[in-house]
Formats: sequence, structure tokens, C-alpha cells
Amino acid sequence: GDSVTQMEGPVTLSEEAFLTINCTYTATGYPSLFWYVQYPGEGLQLLLKATKADDKGSNKGFEATYRKETTSFHLEKGSVQVSDSAVYFCALSLPGNQFYFGTGTSLTVIP
Amino acid sequence: ETGVTQSPTHLIKTRGQQVTLRCSSQSGHNTVSWYQQALGQGPQFIFQYYREEENGRGNFPPRFSGLQFPNYSSELNVNALELDDSALYLCASRGGWSETQYFGPGTRLLVL
Repeated sequence: GDSVTQMEGPVTLSEEAFLTINCTYTATGYPSLFWYVQYPGEGLQLLLKATKADDKGSNKGFEATYRKETTSFHLEKGSVQVSDSAVYFCALSLPGNQFYFGTGTSLTVIP
Repeated sequence: ETGVTQSPTHLIKTRGQQVTLRCSSQSGHNTVSWYQQALGQGPQFIFQYYREEENGRGNFPPRFSGLQFPNYSSELNVNALELDDSALYLCASRGGWSETQYFGPGTRLLVL
């Protein structure tokens, strides 16, 4: 079945460090891939998405590339800030269907 | 453009009771999905409604039921509450065949 496997946390980084959060997926068909972010006490906010192989999604300095050959969609940011502290969820969706989420990766950025 | 809204924000119930959670979808969105997010976990799909009909369901028992209204707002009803139903319940909406879902802030339910 369709599923998402996400790098386990928690992750703690110093400000301006490089961030990578790994995400791999299993899907029947050609899914769209997403990263959502959840700040404490809030719902999920769309961070970025990619709808087909080799697409790169980007937003607020975060990037992720849809790699069909490795079934991956790793999240990266070159220089994290304290305000990036949150829980990050990788997700996939097939057209018209539900989302499948990973278990989430908690990121804490310390000054 | 108004985003997805949910009510109430917090709720405390006792085991065996029934609860109704409400969601107003983003303007123009005709598909609403509900998710359960247990503490420290990713959201789990409960069901989806498209134009007032349920058209997808996750691995949840029948005591989880829903409705969608002509204005595309939605309700999630849970009967015979159990302690494990304590979670954040998220509503998400999207338009037509768009893959992107937009989430509300959630309702945090505590079952004692």
C-alpha cells in the first residue's frame, strides 16, 4: 500500500546550520509529494510540494526534489533559523485520494 | 479568502459520550477530509466527503461518521467515545481534483 517513511527525530541544530530531513515513499501510481509544517498548538501548513518526477518544490528557503529513481523527497535548508523550530511532515497523495503522512520530524533550532 | 476553520478549539468529554466537531472549508473547495492526529504521530485519514457524499474512508470504526452540507462545510461525529479517541482532529479542504489540501487549526479532544 501507499506509505511514507520519514527520518525520526528529534533533530537539534544550531542557528545557520544545514538541515536535511529524509523522506522516502511507496506508492502505486504517480503521487504528488508534500512537506507540511506544524508549529506548536497549530494545524498543518503547506510548506512546499512537487507533483511529478524531478520537480523541485521550494518555499522560505526550504527545498525538496521529487526523485522517482530513489522514491525520495528529502527536505533541505541551507541555513536554519530559530523560527524554523517546528514539526515537519512528509506526505503523499494520489489524485482524488487521501493523504498519507509520515510520523513527523521535530526540529529545534538553538541560537 | 477565508481559510479552513474548525470549532470548537478544545473539548473535554467522558468515555461513552458522543461528540460533534465542525469544519468550514476554504471558499470554493468542495472536498473535505478529516484526520486524527494522536500525540507525537502523523495525521491518520478518517474519511473524505465530496459534494455531500463520502468517497473515501480510512481504517476507522463506524462510530466515526460524518456529514457534508450543501455549502461544503462538514461535521465529524464520534459515538461511544473511548480514551484512545483523545487526539487533535484536523479538517482539510481542497477544490476539485487538486492534490493540495489546506488544513484547519484542529480541534483538540480529550476523553476522560
